[in-house]
Amino acid sequence: GAGVSQSPSNKVTEKGKDVELRCDPISGHTALYWYRQSLGQGLEFLIYFQGNSAPDKSGLPSDRFSAERTGGSVSTLTIQRTQQEDSAVYLCASSLGGGGGWEMQYFGPGTRLTVL
Amino acid sequence: GNSVTQMEGPVTLSEEAFLTINCTYTATGYPSLFWYVQYPGEGLQLLLKATKADDKGSNKGFEATYRKETTSFHLEKGSVQVSDSAVYFCALSALGSQGNLIFGKGTKLSVKP
Repeated sequence: GAGVSQSPSNKVTEKGKDVELRCDPISGHTALYWYRQSLGQGLEFLIYFQGNSAPDKSGLPSDRFSAERTGGSVSTLTIQRTQQEDSAVYLCASSLGGGGGWEMQYFGPGTRLTVL
Repeated sequence: GNSVTQMEGPVTLSEEAFLTINCTYTATGYPSLFWYVQYPGEGLQLLLKATKADDKGSNKGFEATYRKETTSFHLEKGSVQVSDSAVYFCALSALGSQGNLIFGKGTKLSVKP
């Protein structure tokens, strides 16, 4: 079946602009995660969704970052007023969630964001 | 707080050499431990995992044993192949965290024929 998909695959934007990154998880996966992969910081957890709720937003680096999930499926990560330090690869992962099903996370190919 | 430390690379080996990539962790309680691999041009994939002390995870000839006493989860393979060239990430998921992964910095492995 289809894996986790993300769009766009690449995004170049100017400093100060807003961007939206999209994630389509595997059908039936209730848990969805956003991570960021950058040269300086490695792989960092950003936010976790169970269904449409986000019980853990502890990794969001600033209030310029927000995310939502609708219909228990697609999620959008929004970065407002982008800064150069936001340049990174943004990874989405999904898992079955609940009762140990969260352990097997499937990752998407990522969105490479470049802020000029 | 919770953290993962893994040996920095890059690591360059000849085909059929023995591989060890060290990984140690800091966490309260008993986290679950993982090794993920990222092949060139591909997304992250789970390689193996262990969820309790003394468990051994294994896959594709790779092994790692959850050592509570040394807080380690070292990755080993007896005979590497060129196709094993990739970046390897050690990660933990803390008890009760619902899967949020904390990753090490990654170790790039290059295997030469």
